[in-house]
Amino acid sequence: EDQVTQSPEALRLQEGESSSLNCSYTVSGLRGLFWYRQDPGKGPEFLFTLYSAGEEKEKERLKATLTKKESFLHITAPKPEDSATYLCAVQDMYSGGGADGLTFGKGTHLIIQP
Amino acid sequence: DSGVTQTPKHLITATGQRVTLRCSPRSGDLSVYWYQQSLDQGLQFLIQYYNGEERAKGNILERFSAQQFPDLHSELNLSSLELGDSALYFCASSVDTNQPQHFGDGTRLSIL
Repeated sequence: EDQVTQSPEALRLQEGESSSLNCSYTVSGLRGLFWYRQDPGKGPEFLFTLYSAGEEKEKERLKATLTKKESFLHITAPKPEDSATYLCAVQDMYSGGGADGLTFGKGTHLIIQP
Repeated sequence: DSGVTQTPKHLITATGQRVTLRCSPRSGDLSVYWYQQSLDQGLQFLIQYYNGEERAKGNILERFSAQQFPDLHSELNLSSLELGDSALYFCASSVDTNQPQHFGDGTRLSIL
């Protein structure tokens, strides 16, 4: 059974204080690892897809990296508007029944204080 | 705006009732997914349709069913509702099965 564990559950940072969020995963075969951002009352917003160990993707103040066991979302010099819940999800190439559904972690609730 | 539209935004009903949630995917997306988000379980995959055909089931109860119509919009039907079915229900769509899924803003279902 696929598993995704995110840490920490919650993180409070000062504006400009860089940090990293962790996503540890267990899958039979990784088809893709996805990062999403979710604001209160909204659906998850797609950020990145990573497909193989060693891959990195960047977007503004965010950078996602991937190893064979975990992914990190690095946040550099965050601003208050970066406050959100960040979700990690995996897609397993060997899912039963050919399912393409994502297995999500429970998220990291990030608060950036001005 | 993800381009995925879900209606209604909020739904309040009673135990034992039946409701239908609607999803219009992004233009050009053939694959539609339904997820349930609750405080204790997080986001759980329910079911997937691809170009009108059911492709896979996840943690979907037998009381729940879905379909995808020729115009690619999808409906999730929930019947014999229980208090525990109160949750956010999200629809997502993707161009193909291994491409990023884009989510709507969900339907908040409250069972009284």
